[in-house]
Amino acid sequence: DIQMTQSPSILSASVGDRVTITCRASQGIRTWLAWYQQKPGSAPQVLISAASNLHSDVPSRFSAGGSGTDFTLTINTLQPDDIGTYFCQQYHAYPLTFGGGTRVEI
Amino acid sequence: QIQLAQSESVVRKPGASVKVSCKASGYTFTDSSIHWLRQAPGQGPEWMAWFNPATLTRSRARKFEVRVALTTDTSINTVYMELSGLTSDDTAVYYCATVTPRAGSYFIAWGQGTLVTVSS
Repeated sequence: DIQMTQSPSILSASVGDRVTITCRASQGIRTWLAWYQQKPGSAPQVLISAASNLHSDVPSRFSAGGSGTDFTLTINTLQPDDIGTYFCQQYHAYPLTFGGGTRVEI
Repeated sequence: QIQLAQSESVVRKPGASVKVSCKASGYTFTDSSIHWLRQAPGQGPEWMAWFNPATLTRSRARKFEVRVALTTDTSINTVYMELSGLTSDDTAVYYCATVTPRAGSYFIAWGQGTLVTVSS
C-alpha cells in the first residue's frame, strides 16, 4: 500500500498569512493526487485534483503542486473560513490512501 | 447537482452487522462508481471498497474482503454496504462518495456520513 505522510499535523497562523502543507508519498504517484478540506461535522470536499488543478468554485487563494513523491498545498492570504483539516489522497493505485491530515488554526 | 443521501446513525453490539444505504441523485446512477470510506475520530479517511452499479463489479480493500458486502437497488438509485463481525475498532463515520468517470478515483461528492457506534 502507498503511505501518505502529511506535515505539519497542526498549523497555527494568522489571517492574511501564506501557509503551506506538505504531503509525501511512499512511492511515486506521478500527479495522481487530490487535496480535500474538511470542516468539523462535515464530509471532506475536494479542492485540488491531478496535483495542481483547482476544482470548480474553489477560491484562487488555494494553489498546489508537485509530482512523484512530494506535493504541496498553499493557501495565500489565509482567511477565517479556511480553518479546518486538510487531507491529501493518492489515486495512483488501489487501495486508495489518505494522509493523516493537517489541522489549520487561526 | 450530485447528492448522496445516507441512512441514519446507528449503534450496534460487538459481533453484530450494520447495513448502510446511499441514495444517489443529480446524475445518471449507472455512469459512476460509488465508493465507501470510513473515518475514525481524529484520523484521515480510510478507503474500504467501490461498487459499479452498471456492471455490478466491485472491489474491496484487503482488510475488508471478508467482512464487507456491497449490493444495489438500481430501481431507487441506491447502493448498500454491509459490514459484519463488528468490533469497537469499527466505530467510525462511514461515507459513500462518487467520482468523475474516467477522471481518476478522487471524490467529487460525498454523502453526509453515517456514524456507526459499536458498544456493548
